[in-house]
Amino acid sequence: KAGVTQTPRYLIKTRGQQVTLSCSPISGHRSVSWYQQTPGQGLQFLFEYFSETQRNKGNFPGRFSGRQFSNSRSEMNVSTLELGDSALYLCASSFGEGANEQFFGPGTRLTVL
Amino acid sequence: AQSVTQLDSHVSVSEGTPVLLRCNYSSSYSPSLFWYVQHPNKGLQLLLKYTSAATLVKGINGFEAEFKKSETSFHLTKPSAHMSDAAEYFCVVSTWGGFQKLVFGTGTRLLVSP
Repeated sequence: KAGVTQTPRYLIKTRGQQVTLSCSPISGHRSVSWYQQTPGQGLQFLFEYFSETQRNKGNFPGRFSGRQFSNSRSEMNVSTLELGDSALYLCASSFGEGANEQFFGPGTRLTVL
Repeated sequence: AQSVTQLDSHVSVSEGTPVLLRCNYSSSYSPSLFWYVQHPNKGLQLLLKYTSAATLVKGINGFEAEFKKSETSFHLTKPSAHMSDAAEYFCVVSTWGGFQKLVFGTGTRLLVSP
């Protein structure tokens, strides 16, 4: 069974631009969660989607948004990029019911110049 | 509120010696607990999970963890470290309240010397 895939793996953007990251979950998984990982803040929860609905959201500004499609694939978007948005963005999928383990993708490394 | 505390930010061992990474949790409910490992510039890989079955949980690559409710601990151990074990390890508590909420520890970096 294929794992969680994320595209692109690396991105370089400049301040003020916007970016879209994509995540394809494991087949059969209906929940997709997004995390931001930085050296200073560690792993921080962004949001979680289940059956195209956002079920939970972390403490991030409105510049961070996401969506989920009917095939469970998910995208996250960051508008008006800031230097502090440079991070590894991780996507994780799970069945979505109960406190099950989440399976993580390799991440997208975003660098904002 | 649920939380986990990883007691050591760095642990250094020699190859072939035992590994102990410490984690204490706080949870109002019976928790699900996980250990994940992250190698440099990689995503997180699940090592093992505890979901209220056996208190001694065996994972991949020779790792195991013991759930101790009386001590609110979930320490990760391995009898003999290998160079490839050098990575960052995260203890995670998960709860379910209509949606899953994962709370990560701050991580422990394991250094393995020859």
